[in-house]
Amino acid sequence: GDSVTQMEGPVTLSEEAFLTINCTYTATGYPSLFWYVQYPGEGLQLLLKATKADDKGSNKGFEATYRKETTSFHLEKGSVQVSDSAVYFCALRGAGSYQLTFGKGTKLSVIP
Amino acid sequence: DVKVTQSSRYLVKRTGEKVFLECVQDMDHENMFWYRQDPGLGLRLIYFSYDVKMKEKGDIPEGYSVSREKKERFSLILESASTNQTSMYLCASSYRASYNEQFFGPGTRLTVL
Repeated sequence: GDSVTQMEGPVTLSEEAFLTINCTYTATGYPSLFWYVQYPGEGLQLLLKATKADDKGSNKGFEATYRKETTSFHLEKGSVQVSDSAVYFCALRGAGSYQLTFGKGTKLSVIP
Repeated sequence: DVKVTQSSRYLVKRTGEKVFLECVQDMDHENMFWYRQDPGLGLRLIYFSYDVKMKEKGDIPEGYSVSREKKERFSLILESASTNQTSMYLCASSYRASYNEQFFGPGTRLTVL
C-alpha cells in the first residue's frame, strides 16, 4: 500500500536558519503530494501541494518539488521565523483515491 | 473561507459510554473524513464518506462507526468507549475530485477514563 516516510523530529533551528524536512513516498502510479502544517492547538492547514512530477509547490516562503525519480517531496525554507514553529506533515493521495496517507509529522521549533 | 467545525474541543468520557463526535462543513463538499492523531503515529484514517449515506472504512475502523444523514454533517460514533480510544480526533472535508485539498477542523481531544 501507499506510505510516506518523513524525517524524525523534533527539529530545533535558530531564526533565519535554512530548513529542510525530508519526505519520501511509496505509491503506485502518479500520486498527488501535499505538505500540511499544524500550529499549536489547531487543526491541519494545507501549506503547499504538487500534482505531477517536477511540479514545485510554494507558499509563505516554503517550497517542495515533486521528484518522481527519487520519490521525494522535501520541504525547504530559506530563512525560518519563530512563527514557523509547528508540526509539519507530508501526505500523498493515490491516483483516483479520495484518501490521504500521512507521514508521522515533524515538529519544528524555531528559537530567537 | 471554508469552515469545518467540530462539536467539542475537549471531551472526557468514561469507559463503556457511547460517544458522538460531530463535524459540520459549510462548503458543500462531497467528501468527509475522520482521522485520529496520536504522537509518533501521525494521522490515521478511521472512516470517510463520499456522499450522503455512503461510507467507506479507512485504516483503523474497529471500534468506530459513522453516520452521514446530511451532506454537511458527518458523525463519528464510539459505541463503547475504551481507554485506547483516548486521542485527538480530526474531521476533514473536500470536493470530490481527487486532487482537491482536504480542509480540517480544529480537532476534538477525547479522554476516556
